[in-house]
Parts: sequence; structure tokens; C-alpha cells
Amino acid sequence: EVQLVESGGGLVQRGGSLRLSCAASGFTFSSYWMSWVRQAPGKGLEWVANIKQDGSEKSYVDSVKGRFTISRDNAKNSLYLQMNSLRAEDRAVYYCARVERSYWYFDLWGRGTLVTVSS
Amino acid sequence: QSALTQPASVSGSPGQSITISCTGTSRDVGGYTYVSWYQHHPGKAPKLMIYDVSNRPSGVSNRFSGSKSGNTASLTISGLQAEDEADYYCSSYRSSSTPWVFGGGTKLTVL
Repeated sequence: EVQLVESGGGLVQRGGSLRLSCAASGFTFSSYWMSWVRQAPGKGLEWVANIKQDGSEKSYVDSVKGRFTISRDNAKNSLYLQMNSLRAEDRAVYYCARVERSYWYFDLWGRGTLVTVSS
Repeated sequence: QSALTQPASVSGSPGQSITISCTGTSRDVGGYTYVSWYQHHPGKAPKLMIYDVSNRPSGVSNRFSGSKSGNTASLTISGLQAEDEADYYCSSYRSSSTPWVFGGGTKLTVL
């Protein structure tokens, strides 16, 4: 089955760190750009970061630059998001998404993992 | 505040048609054909419904259609069904530094 499954979310203190994982299955993971997209409570979706097939190119939304790092392990069919210096405004459901870069859309999503930041 | 503007909610009766608008600027919706729409049932994975303004992925019902005029894109759902009740999000390409912007989402209620 073609799917993405996120894990690693949870409760963390402000200023703390968390590492999210996304396990891909049913498709050739190494052939796709991948992204993280988040949704804060009661808010819309927000693109967070993306990474090229071989990991050589990465980009981030301004609000997480210097704090979050996206990475991947193609041998393990896995995508990661290392989140440091977490802030209250980082509280959200984080989705892993597969990118179709020819037309700039996400054609496969996971169910998400919830990150809660306490003060 | 989301980069793209959508109505917070729309509703319709089974069998009717509804349209959800998505308003951006010439830097995103108006400047590219890279507009996509996603259906999200809470607790489930979002699902791609429309890409490149008006293209449907394989497996998506032809009751879903998309269009664009100027800085506003639209998603139309015809022949409303109970299972269409969900949140809908639009997205557009904006730039190489911020590839994707999204709307705030529209909650569709099927009466």
C-alpha cells in the first residue's frame, strides 16, 4: 500500500527538541522530493520544509530557519524533521507529504503527528 | 493569517452544487497555474483533489472541478454527497524561497 506514516510527536517544553519521522512505503521513496507541512490548532496549513531526492537541496519557511532541520535516509525510506528551540507557536499537527515538483503539489500525505509545546 | 483567503464555511444540500473560492495575489494564484486543492477529513490524511488549477488525479470523482480567474481560484463540487463533508484547502506556488502558500481552509457542511 502506498502510504506515509508519521511518528515522534508529543509534549515538549518550550526551548526543547523533538525529532519527527515519516516512514514511506509502496513507492520508490528516493525518486521524490518530500516536505513537511503543519497545521496549528484552528489554523490553515503551512509549508515547513522540503528536501530533494538525494538530500542535496533543502529549504525552509522563514519562521523555522536555524531551528528545524529536514533530512532523509533513502535506504530506510524515511524522512525526518529535527526540531530544536521549540516555541509555543510550533504547536501543530505535522504532516509528511510527497511532492510532485513538475506542477508544485502534494500528491500523498500522512495522517500527521501532533507536537505540543508547553510553557 | 493565511496567505490565501478562503471562506470559513459553505454548505449545501445533497445533490446541489457549491463553489469554494481562494483569493491570492499576482505573486501566487494570479501568477501561476500551480493551484491545487485538498480535501481533509479530520484525523485522516489530506487528499489531493485538483492540481494545476483544473486537473483531477486518477480516482477523484468528476464531480470535483477547478478553475481560475485572475487572482482567484475556485473549487466546484457538483451533486453534493454526504461524504463530501470535510475541510477543503487551496494551495498555490509562490516562489523558490516559499514554494507553497495555503488558504485557511473551508469547512463544507452537507445539510
